Amino acid sequence: GAGVSQSPSNKVTEKGKDVELRCDPISGHTALYWYRQRLGQGLEFLIYFQGNSAPDKSGLPSDRFSAERTGESVSTLTIQRTQQEDSAVYLCASSLEGTSGRHYNEQFFGPGTRLTVL
Amino acid sequence: GNSVTQMEGPVTLSEEAFLTINCTYTATGYPSLFWYVQYPGEGLQLLLKATKADDKGSNKGFEATYRKETTSFHLEKGSVQVSDSAVYFCALRISGGYNKLIFGAGTRLAVHP
Repeated sequence: GAGVSQSPSNKVTEKGKDVELRCDPISGHTALYWYRQRLGQGLEFLIYFQGNSAPDKSGLPSDRFSAERTGESVSTLTIQRTQQEDSAVYLCASSLEGTSGRHYNEQFFGPGTRLTVL
Repeated sequence: GNSVTQMEGPVTLSEEAFLTINCTYTATGYPSLFWYVQYPGEGLQLLLKATKADDKGSNKGFEATYRKETTSFHLEKGSVQVSDSAVYFCALRISGGYNKLIFGAGTRLAVHP
C-alpha cells in the first residue's frame, strides 16, 4: 500500500498505563506530523518531524507525551501515565519536505488510532 | 493566536441542494487556506486550497474563495450528491511555519436522496 498507515486502529487502556502509537509514512516523505482530535473538536497539532529531528514540538500537551522517528521512516508517539483526557483519535500525516515558503507540500493522512482511556 | 472557526453541524440537505459551509479564520501574516474532507471510514483528504487573497480553490464541484477582507473561506457546491456526505474541515497554514495545519472543528454533512 502506498498510503500512511497507523497501528493499532483502536486502543483501550486503563488510566495510568503507558501506550505507544505507531505511524508508517509514505515512502520518500521526509516530513511527518502528529495531530489529535478529541470528540467534537478540530485536529490539534502535536509535533512535526523533518527526518528524525523534531523542530516543532510546540503542540505536545505535557511531558507525558513524547515521540521519536527512525530516520525518514516509522514514528512512535508515546503517552505515559495515560489520563482520561488523553482519549482521542491520534492522526499521523506525512509529506514531502515541510517548507517555510508559500509552496505547500500536501499532507497525506493515515486512518488514525482511536485511544480510549478508562 | 491563529485559529479557524467553522459553522457547527450537522448540515442536512436533500440531493441537488445548494451547500454552504462557513469558515472564518484569525491569523498572523498571510496564511494559506484549505478544505479537507473525511468520508466515512476513510482518512482525511485534501479537497481544495488557496494560497493568497482572492484565489479560488475548486475540486469535484466544490469551490471556496480566499477573502482577506472578511477573513473567510466558505465552502460551496451548487448541487450536492449523496456521495458528498462526509465531515469537512477548514484549515490554515502560516507562511514561514513548518507546514503544520491549524484546523477547525469540522462540519458533518448528510445528504439524503
